[in-house]
Amino acid sequence: NAGVTQTPKFRILKIGQSMTLQCTQDMNHNYMYWYRQDPGMGLKLIYYSVGAGITDKGEVPNGYNVSRSTTEDFPLRLELAAPSQTSVYFCASSYSMGSYEQYFGPGTRLTVT
Amino acid sequence: GENVEQHPSTLSVQEGDSAVIKCTYSDSASNYFPWYKQELGKGPQLIIDIRSNVGEKKDQRIAVTLNKTAKHFSLHITETQPEDSAVYFCAASTSGNQFYFGTGTSLTVIP
Repeated sequence: NAGVTQTPKFRILKIGQSMTLQCTQDMNHNYMYWYRQDPGMGLKLIYYSVGAGITDKGEVPNGYNVSRSTTEDFPLRLELAAPSQTSVYFCASSYSMGSYEQYFGPGTRLTVT
Repeated sequence: GENVEQHPSTLSVQEGDSAVIKCTYSDSASNYFPWYKQELGKGPQLIIDIRSNVGEKKDQRIAVTLNKTAKHFSLHITETQPEDSAVYFCAASTSGNQFYFGTGTSLTVIP
């Protein structure tokens, strides 16, 4: 199993541009999450999904959108990028049926200038 | 929402000594408390977790204690080794939906 994979690893965006961060898991997990991690801070939940077709907002959803059309994929969309969205983004998944253990991807470092 | 506070933010210990990291939480509905280790340039990795119906859990050199009344939980690492150097995060969750993380502790083990 590859686990949780994220692409791209790095990206530089100009203010106002849009992009999609990709996340795929091959563990047949039903729960998936998107977090952002700012320097010296913990992870903040952006959006999460409890299964295909179901998504919900986390702590910091403004400026982001998600979709979950399949169990494996959970892309995060940034519309009209702003400097405040400069961060490292982590995708995670968990099986959740009796186990809440989260498996994290390697992260995407995004800079908005 | 939930508020998780973590202390200290940095911790240096001599190899072989113990390290303790403490977290407090605010929402009494939280029932799952994981600890993650994050190495430079990588995603967090779960090292140990505890549920609210248990007061202590141990896995080799790592242990976690939970005091539900006081709403705090702690990570204990004994016989520290240089490879334990990393950033450690605590988190709290209610039923595995939303997770709230502490701000992290950078642990350095001095050989």
